[in-house]
Amino acid sequence: EVQLVQSGAEVKKPGESLKISCKGSGYSFTSYWIGWVRQMPGKGLEWMGIIYPGDSDTRYSPSFQGQVTISADKSISTAYLQWSSLKASDTAMYYCARHYYSSSSYLVDYWGQGTLVTVSS
Amino acid sequence: SYVLTQPPSVSVAPGKTARITCGGNNIGSKSVHWYQQKPGQAPVLVIYYDSDRPSGIPERFSGSNSGNTATLTISRVEAGDEADYYCQVWDSSSDHQGVFGGGTKLTVL
Repeated sequence: EVQLVQSGAEVKKPGESLKISCKGSGYSFTSYWIGWVRQMPGKGLEWMGIIYPGDSDTRYSPSFQGQVTISADKSISTAYLQWSSLKASDTAMYYCARHYYSSSSYLVDYWGQGTLVTVSS
Repeated sequence: SYVLTQPPSVSVAPGKTARITCGGNNIGSKSVHWYQQKPGQAPVLVIYYDSDRPSGIPERFSGSNSGNTATLTISRVEAGDEADYYCQVWDSSSDHQGVFGGGTKLTVL
């Protein structure tokens, strides 16, 4: 059974750094792109970026390029999303998302349970 | 970057048919995927590649895509279908990124 298990909720202050994680199991972690989707309170889904753990090829949405870093450690089947300096506007639920690729299109076939990040002074 | 436009809300009586649209420039040339999200839960894929259903998704859910509009159709709507629905495509232009529509809140009257 494919599972994506994310790290727990975080409460941080503006300016602090943060790294959240997503551990994949039940499939070959290095064979699928895995990424992150943001959902701000009461808002819609926003695609942030993906990484291919097999070779660490990474793609970002222009909206998030330079704002976050996506990485992966294939030895422990875990993907990460990190910030070097959080802002209040980073307050959101972040979903880990396994991407399936076929016919020139990616879709999300499995989702993590979400990690709530709250940034407040 | 590529933009997907969805109506903010759609309302339908139980047993009737709901149609949720997703507009985009020549979206018919792209593959469209649909997700259902209930309050407090992660999204779930309900339609992929325009009209395919994952295992476990009722046959009442169907999809189509042509021209500038893709449509998610839910037949014989049930109270349990009340949720937010999002369309998604892959923008393989210079950006190479996923794109979600703004989402549609389906209300079952």
